[in-house]
Amino acid sequence: DQQVKQNSPSLSVQEGRISILNCDYTNSMFDYFLWYKKYPAEGPTFLISISSIKDKNEDGRFTVFLNKSAKHLSLHIVPSQPGDSAVYFCAASAGYGNKLVFGAGTILRVKS
Amino acid sequence: DSGVTQTPKHLITATGQRVTLRCSPRSGDLSVYWYQQSLDQGLQFLIQYYNGEERAKGNILERFSAQQFPDLHSELNLSSLELGDSALYFCASSGAQDRGYGYTFGSGTRLTVV
Repeated sequence: DQQVKQNSPSLSVQEGRISILNCDYTNSMFDYFLWYKKYPAEGPTFLISISSIKDKNEDGRFTVFLNKSAKHLSLHIVPSQPGDSAVYFCAASAGYGNKLVFGAGTILRVKS
Repeated sequence: DSGVTQTPKHLITATGQRVTLRCSPRSGDLSVYWYQQSLDQGLQFLIQYYNGEERAKGNILERFSAQQFPDLHSELNLSSLELGDSALYFCASSGAQDRGYGYTFGSGTRLTVV
């Protein structure tokens, strides 16, 4: 039962353009959503998060949008840089201190 | 350096064997989580410990077990290993600074069963 889904296994964009990574979830109890970035041979690192009481959160070039009615969130990276090439995982949590449920990840390649 | 230390980084072993993966959480963190990442798979939650007590269990096989010690380090024991157990195993920890959400991962242990 995949509660968090990232339906695009990979995405390729040109340097300087926008990268949009999508994530869908099924569990209505999720109240906090996070994006992690993972480089090869490293563990995932936290990128940005959003609470279910918000619909948008920005941090520099990264913006996460949450559409609760559609159970959908997206990560926008503008402008994309070659160093952004990595695997991006969407994750969700249902309540304080609970485990994170991860999607399968999307491989982002930013071409220079 | 994330502050979460996992050893060993790489492990190659034969089917039927038993291995122990070790995790030292970030200083002060009471919660430890174990995840498995198989080829082309996302991060699958295995088990969570909080201050020595098991708090949540995911799809962890009966051949696998874990514990968290009084010094808060954790070990994941994998026994009767099968080829399909080959994967990356990540440990993560969380504490008060995470304000209840999200955690910090170690760099993982790559297990290869031959």
